[in-house]
Amino acid sequence: AQSVTQLGSHVSVSEGALVLLRCNYSSSVPPYLFWYVQYPNQGLQLLLKYTTGATLVKGINGFEAEFKKSETSFHLTKPSAHMSDAAEYFCAVSENNFNKFYFGSGTKLNVKP
Amino acid sequence: GAVVSQHPSRVICKSGTSVKIECRSLDFQATTMFWYRQFPKQSLMLMATSNEGSKATYEQGVEKDKFLINHASLTLSTLTVTSAHPEDSSFYICSASPGWNFDYGYTFGSGTRLTVV
Repeated sequence: AQSVTQLGSHVSVSEGALVLLRCNYSSSVPPYLFWYVQYPNQGLQLLLKYTTGATLVKGINGFEAEFKKSETSFHLTKPSAHMSDAAEYFCAVSENNFNKFYFGSGTKLNVKP
Repeated sequence: GAVVSQHPSRVICKSGTSVKIECRSLDFQATTMFWYRQFPKQSLMLMATSNEGSKATYEQGVEKDKFLINHASLTLSTLTVTSAHPEDSSFYICSASPGWNFDYGYTFGSGTRLTVV
């Protein structure tokens, strides 16, 4: 069985500060891992994904995430937060057939001026 | 590219009535579409997988007769909530895949907020 845990339903950072959103997963098979962002009244947008290969994955808008198998983690980071980063972020894991996604409960990021 | 349109964005209906939600892939053919439901402060939960021209595959615990899914074309899937009740109030979101072209990732619609009164 697969599951995703996102620690912290709300995270607040100051503009220019480091963003760290945590994601831990459990999977019985090698996981494929994703981060999605949802802006108010919009659909989910893929930020980045890990399938195979390099464990440090770079995505859009300056975000990156590192797959750490030993820690079963896929934390999302951005060196310097921007006001436009305020949104809800979802971590998801998929089996290798891409047919089933398991989502975390989401983390709302607030960026303070 | 890879735009998915979902309609309506919000709907309020009376208990006992049926509601249809549409999910369209606007610039690609979606061989597979997925329907998710999200209760407040909870994860998105996969309800069913629909493949064009065949019956949908429902996740355990999802009532097939209550949540009717039709994927009659490569660009349209519909979810009909039949005889809706207040406990069906939720956020429903679809996603679509062009197949094995994973460069698109999975594209999601903007969701439908259903309120049953």
